[in-house]
Amino acid sequence: SQQGEEDPQALSIQEGENATMNCSYKTSINNLQWYRQNSGRGLVHLILIRSNEREKHSGRLRVTLDTSKKSSSLLITASRAADTASYFCATDAGSSNTGKLIFGQGTTLQVKP
Amino acid sequence: GAGVSQSPRYKVAKRGQDVALRCDPISGHVSLFWYQQALGQGPEFLTYFQNEAQLDKSGLPSDRFFAERPEGSVSTLKIQRTQQEDSAVYLCASSRLAGGTGELFFGEGSRLTVL
Repeated sequence: SQQGEEDPQALSIQEGENATMNCSYKTSINNLQWYRQNSGRGLVHLILIRSNEREKHSGRLRVTLDTSKKSSSLLITASRAADTASYFCATDAGSSNTGKLIFGQGTTLQVKP
Repeated sequence: GAGVSQSPRYKVAKRGQDVALRCDPISGHVSLFWYQQALGQGPEFLTYFQNEAQLDKSGLPSDRFFAERPEGSVSTLKIQRTQQEDSAVYLCASSRLAGGTGELFFGEGSRLTVL
């Protein structure tokens, strides 16, 4: 079963625009991570935000976490064609000792040049 | 190599055949995970190893699936008597930290097609 649900499922924007993806989850968490996957490739870690953090930045990425609403958002600013990929949120479901990191269904982002 | 290596990258099996998928994690990484990813879906958790101990196998879909990591390094995922519904990409990931507390490094995956 999936813990996280991403919204929207698909997003198409022009280069230079910002892209916002949302993730909702069901149980309490210790941390939430965002990953990126290019077609036919493995997942690449983007950013990790802990449950006691509300916002985190990494380059053009901005992640927010609202534990009261059990939701997170990933903002990519000034998008580039190379940002075209699928983006997944993943949570530990509050169970850090079992290692079960649960992924959502993903948002497919297309950035048109 | 510096990353997680999986082999084979592609495997075609006839229904009923046994397959073995190999994962070489990053050296020194404590945690190793197997995930199954169907087309257009997110990865689904299969199993987790902390060193050689299999601490969580709750995601293995049936007793036809078996994973091992005997020396706490290389891991093998074995699927016996493959069925068409086993067709998917099998992803291996490793992490320096125990549990799901840290960044996971993924391999490129093994794409299994069962005819």
